Amino acid sequence: GEDVEQSLFLSVREGDSSVINCTYTDSSSTYLYWYKQEPGAGLQLLTYIFSNMDMKQDQRLTVLLNKKDKHLSLRIADTQTGDSAIYFCAERTAGNKLTFGGGTRVLVKP
Amino acid sequence: DAMVIQNPRYQVTQFGKPVTLSCSQTLNHNVMYWYQQKSSQAPKLLFHYYDKDFNNEADTPDNFQSRRPNTSFCFLDIRSPGLGDAAMYLCATSSPSGGVQEKLFFGSGTQLSVL
Repeated sequence: GEDVEQSLFLSVREGDSSVINCTYTDSSSTYLYWYKQEPGAGLQLLTYIFSNMDMKQDQRLTVLLNKKDKHLSLRIADTQTGDSAIYFCAERTAGNKLTFGGGTRVLVKP
Repeated sequence: DAMVIQNPRYQVTQFGKPVTLSCSQTLNHNVMYWYQQKSSQAPKLLFHYYDKDFNNEADTPDNFQSRRPNTSFCFLDIRSPGLGDAAMYLCATSSPSGGVQEKLFFGSGTQLSVL
């Protein structure tokens, strides 16, 4: 079955790095994604990683994938107040469906 | 510049009164999705269209229907809204290519309130 889990909340000081973790259960996942949702808004795709990769860097964002442990993380370097939002990880599995985690609320303190 | 447009932004309806939410896209994507997102929860897929082919999720209530009259538009009809249907409804599109651009584009959502 498909199940994606994330911690609920992360607090970080401005300028520090944030690390958001996610675990998933479906080993047939093809792509894994990180989405950002600001209050009252839709989901914005931040980055994604193909399942045969173990790392992807995109400016301040670093995605690490441990396929053996089914663990995905998103590191945000030099976190800014504008990074305060809810972050969802999601996996794409057979049937072209996206299954989302419950979201991690990130609060950046000045 | 908006590529996936949802109207209205906020919708208020009465218990049991049918309501329709709309979504349009300028991306010419094959696939359109409707997700329901309740407060502080993950978005939950209700159904999706691959071109004209409708795909319902097994646990989507019969109260929810969808129409896709053409590539650009997709509608979500809630026949008899209950209090439990109050949520953010998100429309998304994708264009499966088999390559690395397998990603969903979301609209800003419609926040539905049921009184």
